Amino acid sequence: QQQVKQSPQSLIVQKGGISIINCAYENTAFDYFPWYQQFPGKGPALLIAIRPDVSEKKEGRFTISFNKSAKQFSLHIMDSQPGDSATYFCAASYRGGYNKLIFGAGTRLAVHP
Amino acid sequence: NAGVTQTPKFQVLKTGQSMTLQCAQDMNHNSMYWYRQDPGMGLRLIYYSASEGTTDKGEVPNGYNVSRLNKREFSLRLESAAPSQTSVYFCASSEDEAGASETQYFGPGTRLLVL
Repeated sequence: QQQVKQSPQSLIVQKGGISIINCAYENTAFDYFPWYQQFPGKGPALLIAIRPDVSEKKEGRFTISFNKSAKQFSLHIMDSQPGDSATYFCAASYRGGYNKLIFGAGTRLAVHP
Repeated sequence: NAGVTQTPKFQVLKTGQSMTLQCAQDMNHNSMYWYRQDPGMGLRLIYYSASEGTTDKGEVPNGYNVSRLNKREFSLRLESAAPSQTSVYFCASSEDEAGASETQYFGPGTRLLVL
């Protein structure tokens, strides 16, 4: 049972463009929503995370937008660079859930020069 | 600090063989996790250990066992490997299970092929 649905599976963006990856969740108990970035041959690394008490969080070129009523959240990468080419995973967990992350299926992003 | 380390990096097994994947962290974290990553399925939690001395099942525990040897080390054992266990295995750790210290730090992974 997939509790976090992620789209698209793959994304091609030109350098300088905006990359947008979307996730939807089902469990209303989720209260922590991180995004992880994974380069080939490496383990995932935390990129940015949000809690449902705010609708947006920005860190540099990376922004999470959160819509609690729609149970959706998205990652926006502004001014995308070739070095951003990686696989991105959204995830969710809830307090009292022992920090067990439920991951989306992943989005492979390619930024072309 | 090395962070989270995993051994081996790559392993080939025959069906029915057993092996143990090793994981260690040097960040004094309380919680540790084992995930498997398969194409198109993201990462799925196999087992986790909220603190030293405790372990519990995750989403896909069948065919696996774990041992939290001490605060630093958390091993994953395949007693009788099956081709369906061909995957990339990641170990992760976090300072705690909740609050501001939820960030999970991942190791580099073990690529396992079961023939």
